[in-house]
Amino acid sequence: AQSVAQPEDQVNVAEGNPLTVKCTYSVSGNPYLFWYVQYPNRGLQFLLKYITGDNLVKGSYGFEAEFNKSQTSFHLKKPSALVSDSALYFCAVRRRNTGGFKTIFGAGTRLFVKA
Amino acid sequence: DTEVTQTPKHLVMGMTNKKSLKCEQHMGHRAMYWYKQKAKKPPELMFVYSYEKLSINESVPSRFSPECPNSSLLNLHLHALQPEDSALYLCASSPLAGGIITNEKLFFGSGTQLSVL
Repeated sequence: AQSVAQPEDQVNVAEGNPLTVKCTYSVSGNPYLFWYVQYPNRGLQFLLKYITGDNLVKGSYGFEAEFNKSQTSFHLKKPSALVSDSALYFCAVRRRNTGGFKTIFGAGTRLFVKA
Repeated sequence: DTEVTQTPKHLVMGMTNKKSLKCEQHMGHRAMYWYKQKAKKPPELMFVYSYEKLSINESVPSRFSPECPNSSLLNLHLHALQPEDSALYLCASSPLAGGIITNEKLFFGSGTQLSVL
């Protein structure tokens, strides 16, 4: 079954430094992969998706992610972190179901950006 | 309008109460979802509606009863809940691509924080 794993519960980074939030996937066929962000007491916000094409995907708020088929990874990156990037980040995969498609989320990684 | 609106934002209910959560979107999305999220956990899918018909039920207990009265509204009726049902309930919707529900981008509301006493 399609699934994603986020190996880090928490990532700490200093403001201005590059950040990486890791995600690996287990998918049969071509994966549909996503990143979402959740701020406190809010719903999730879509950041970016990979379906096909260029392995480097650019998204909202300066985030990007690189699809790596050989390493089955889809890490989220940003060249220069902001304090306001502190939030909970979810990697996700689309899974086909008998009733249609559904989005399955990883466990989440909490990002702390220190000033 | 690119928002999914959920009401109420907070709800406290007893185990014998009946209450309803409401969700509304005016983006023309024809797929709508209910997710349940426990603290510090990922959202878990409960129900999917496609073109106002229930297409996915993730074996949710019958004390949760979804309803999609039209293409803009999604309700979740609650009855005889248990304390372990306390969670953040998120509604989401997704647009069509070529007339097909592809689930390629979800738009989430801010959720209803439910406490069952």
